[in-house]
Amino acid sequence: SQQGEEDPQALSIQEGENATMNCSYKTSINNLQWYRQNSGRGLVHLILIRSNEREKHSGRLRVTLDTSKKSSSLLITASRAADTASYFCATDASLGNTPLVFGKGTRLSVIA
Amino acid sequence: GAVVSQHPSRVICKSGTSVKIECRSLDFQATTMFWYRQFPKQSLMLMATSNEGSKATYEQGVEKDKFLINHASLTLSTLTVTSAHPEDSSFYICSARDLGGGNQPQHFGDGTRLSIL
Repeated sequence: SQQGEEDPQALSIQEGENATMNCSYKTSINNLQWYRQNSGRGLVHLILIRSNEREKHSGRLRVTLDTSKKSSSLLITASRAADTASYFCATDASLGNTPLVFGKGTRLSVIA
Repeated sequence: GAVVSQHPSRVICKSGTSVKIECRSLDFQATTMFWYRQFPKQSLMLMATSNEGSKATYEQGVEKDKFLINHASLTLSTLTVTSAHPEDSSFYICSARDLGGGNQPQHFGDGTRLSIL
């Protein structure tokens, strides 16, 4: 079952602007991951942040994690039209053979 | 890096047909693979956990006789949608993790879009 909520559900911005997406979850986690999905395609892993980490960067991506609030955010800086996609957070209870639990996702549209 | 291959990418077939979807881990062994289903504009919902050499574990509400899972080797899991009907039309995605690689994320196949006419 889905345990997380993401907001906003949809976000439309101009190219060059920053995009922030938020994710909340309900149970304890080992790590939280963010994925991107272009329309009709599979998932592309963006970044993994462990429960003992508070912030992580990868290129134009910045992820924060607040385990006390059970929330995470994904910031995409200097957005490009190619960033248009759906973004999902997924929580991982362990690094063993456990499935990911996905949030509902944010549909990002970057307008050129 | 580790790659998961899923085949076919798209299936269009008549109602009543059974459809088999393959999920392969290309450069690592996966004792466990996961099958997800995604309806349009929705998130991924876990259907079942595929375990090599044993029975799959199905999520509540997923019919095991409808969605047959076989994980016969450490690199291959198959999902067969039996006697598919239009309501089974969806995007099916598998994933697996390389447990031998330390803190690795799960790797996803490119998905299979199933359309039942």
